[in-house]
Amino acid sequence: AQKVTQAQTEISVVEKEDVTLDCVYETRDTTYYLFWYKQPPSGELVFLIRRNSFDEQNEISGRYSWNFQKSTSSFNFTITASQVVDSAVYFCALSGKNYGQNFVFGPGTRLSVLP
Amino acid sequence: GAVVSQHPSWVICKSGTSVKIECRSLDFQATTMFWYRQFPKQSLMLMATSNEGSKATYEQGVEKDKFLINHASLTLSTLTVTSAHPEDSSFYICSARGQTEQYFGPGTRLTVT
Repeated sequence: AQKVTQAQTEISVVEKEDVTLDCVYETRDTTYYLFWYKQPPSGELVFLIRRNSFDEQNEISGRYSWNFQKSTSSFNFTITASQVVDSAVYFCALSGKNYGQNFVFGPGTRLSVLP
Repeated sequence: GAVVSQHPSWVICKSGTSVKIECRSLDFQATTMFWYRQFPKQSLMLMATSNEGSKATYEQGVEKDKFLINHASLTLSTLTVTSAHPEDSSFYICSARGQTEQYFGPGTRLTVT
């Protein structure tokens, strides 16, 4: 069975602080995909990143960076110099070897960035 | 990029009535669509998988007679909540599978009074 755990339910930081959101996953598949989505109060999911299981390179996109470590089944997300607009719920998700499979979402981490 | 729309974006209905939610892939064909439900302050949970031209596959605990899914074309899947009750109030999100990607709709907020 597939499972995604996000241990941090809520995080509060002050603007300009760095913050890391943790994600740990479980799967028996050797090929799988990991995702991060942002869900602002409007509810619409905003795609942030997709990573397949064979690509362990870390990725940086502006203030966002991701650290994928298969050895610990983790796919952590760091926001550098956080801003108030980063306040949202962030979901880590897993999809199986067939990319057309459904997503398994983690419970989400609610990030509040205070001015 | 590919777009998935949902209609309506929000709906309020009375207990006992039925509500239909549409999910459309606007610029690609989707042989498979997924329906998720998200209760307040919770995560998204898969309700069912909808394949064009065949019966939907429901997750354990989801009543197929209450949540009717129809995927009559490659661009449209509908979810009908029959005899809605207040406990069905939730945020319903669909996703559509394209050739190489999956895309999420903006969601439909259902409130049953």
